[in-house]
Amino acid sequence: DTGVSQDPRHKITKRGQNVTFRCDPISEHNRLYWYRQTLGQGPEFLTYFQNEAQLEKSRLLSDRFSAERPKGSFSTLEIQRTEQGDSAMYLCASSLWREGTDTQYFGPGTRLTVL
Amino acid sequence: GQQVMQIPQYQHVQEGEDFTTYCNSSTTLSNIQWYKQRPGGHPVFLIQLVKSGEVKKQKRLTFQFGEAKKNSSLHITATQTTDVGTYFCAGDSGTYKYIFGTGTRLKVLA
Repeated sequence: DTGVSQDPRHKITKRGQNVTFRCDPISEHNRLYWYRQTLGQGPEFLTYFQNEAQLEKSRLLSDRFSAERPKGSFSTLEIQRTEQGDSAMYLCASSLWREGTDTQYFGPGTRLTVL
Repeated sequence: GQQVMQIPQYQHVQEGEDFTTYCNSSTTLSNIQWYKQRPGGHPVFLIQLVKSGEVKKQKRLTFQFGEAKKNSSLHITATQTTDVGTYFCAGDSGTYKYIFGTGTRLKVLA
């Protein structure tokens, strides 16, 4: 257990539905990352926050994806109008970023299945 | 766009043999990280390399960052069954949009 929690752990939804995932990082960590991982592949960067500011977002991310970290603590990732291609493990990671140090602690992930 | 490739894709070794995985980036990196992921688990941070030519050791693991900061390697001496998993490198070009490599899946035969 790294101290990063994600909820729910599993989500099954029908195509076209909206889903929202939550990530609770390690409490003093200033950075929070979202990744997506499919079977046999490495994690794919989606976005990251420095405190409450969203600093980078993947160009691969369509407008259907949005993320928030309203108070610089927990974060939510919403997928609107889900598609079967969105089926994946969604991973959250947090870090206490300092110059030269960005150790990312990953949560257990939320496995999304879109039927 | 930036790409990060790893070789080999798979490696089977006898327990006690050495293992090396190589990571190559299409662009110069600001830093590179290495992770281990067990089957069914999440990535676990191993190390971060920042300086050109940097070498770091963790017990049986040796990590290197190339002089040009475009490649890196992870070497495990005398593998054990506990080393089983997939090893990923993740490169950052300075924007913290980490690009993970394709991974090397290691199997250790007892």
